[in-house]
Amino acid sequence: GAVVSQHPSRVICKSGTSVKIECRSLDFQATTMFWYRQFPKQSLMLMATSNEGSKATYEQGVEKDKFLINHASLTLSTLTVTSAHPEDSSFYICSARTGVNSNQPQHFGDGTRLSIL
Amino acid sequence: QKEVEQNSGPLSVPEGAIASLNCTYSDRGSQSFFWYRQYSGKSPELIMFIYSNGDKEDGRFTAQLNKASQYVSLLIRDSQPSDSATYLCAVKREYGNKLVFGAGTILRVKS
Repeated sequence: GAVVSQHPSRVICKSGTSVKIECRSLDFQATTMFWYRQFPKQSLMLMATSNEGSKATYEQGVEKDKFLINHASLTLSTLTVTSAHPEDSSFYICSARTGVNSNQPQHFGDGTRLSIL
Repeated sequence: QKEVEQNSGPLSVPEGAIASLNCTYSDRGSQSFFWYRQYSGKSPELIMFIYSNGDKEDGRFTAQLNKASQYVSLLIRDSQPSDSATYLCAVKREYGNKLVFGAGTILRVKS
């Protein structure tokens, strides 16, 4: 149980392109979803938290107009990197959890490796 | 002081030995504690979670929690080369929605 599917697994595109990443909880209702970014050999960095039906809460320093998050249902959240540039190249990982402010574990998707040329 | 601290390692153990990974946290009111394993180039995978003081065992893994001393540990018995990975300790604060991750400990199991 607790499977989170993330798609696509890898994206390579030109600078200026917008890229959408989907995160789905397959066998549970994800009341809360999280989006992380990880650069090589560095720690996970939380970008934003989204609760179903609400606007996402962004971490300090993360541009909300650059990284658009939609959490329209209990099983799907999307992250859109708008007008991506080479410095946005990174490993983007979503996670999902049942319950708001819950002590339940977060379950991670397989991640999306984004490369902007 | 970081909110969740782990020794970065690498921690090297021989195959078959017990690997002991430690984590300390600063928020005394923290309620829940998680260990994730992350292989190079992959996303984190949940290994164990623990909420109460004491030990919790699952197969070769044992999580230990001591809230008075504010530390949580993960023991891996009969370590295998496939256990070689980065182990992330994560803590949920008393108040708030998110997990705070440590920087991770690199474990190397040598055959």
